Amino acid sequence: GEDVEQSLFLSVREGDSSVINCTYTDSSSTYLYWYKQEPGAGLQLLTYIFSNMDMKQDQRLTVLLNKKDKHLSLRIADTQTGDSAIYFCAETYDTGTASKLTFGTGTRLQVTL
Amino acid sequence: DAGVTQSPTHLIKTRGQQVTLRCSPKSGHDTVSWYQQALGQGPQFIFQYYEEEERQRGNFPDRFSGHQFPNYSSELNVNALLLGDSALYLCASSLSGSDTQYFGPGTRLTVL
Repeated sequence: GEDVEQSLFLSVREGDSSVINCTYTDSSSTYLYWYKQEPGAGLQLLTYIFSNMDMKQDQRLTVLLNKKDKHLSLRIADTQTGDSAIYFCAETYDTGTASKLTFGTGTRLQVTL
Repeated sequence: DAGVTQSPTHLIKTRGQQVTLRCSPKSGHDTVSWYQQALGQGPQFIFQYYEEEERQRGNFPDRFSGHQFPNYSSELNVNALLLGDSALYLCASSLSGSDTQYFGPGTRLTVL
């Protein structure tokens, strides 16, 4: 079945690194995504990783995937106040006809001065 | 290059009424998906449209229906509104063959 879990809240100080964690249950996932949602806004695609990769780096963002444990993490280096938002991980798997995203409940990242 | 656009941004309806939400996909995209995001929750998949047909549907009642037009834009219709339908409705577009979906800003629906 499909289930994606995230911790609800993370607080970090400006300049520190943030690590947001996610676990998923569907071993047939093809892509895993990280989206950012600021208050009252839609979802902004941050990055994604294909399920046969272990790591992907994109500027301040590093995604790590442990497929054996079905664990995904997003590391944000040098966290800034503008990074304060809710972060969602999502998985998708190709049914052959369509791909739907299954989201976690989101992790609220609070960046303090 | 315009991203995904949705209209209206906000909507207030009363129980029992019907509502239509609209979405224009990102330029070059041909597939539209709709999601419902209740307050404090992650988005839940409603359905996906491609070539004017519903390809896949999530666990939503028949009161939720949709349509895709030849220009790939899409509508989401909800009949007999319930208080529990109050949510942010998100549209996402993608190119068939790609799993990556790009989201619009959403329509905030409030049912009184």
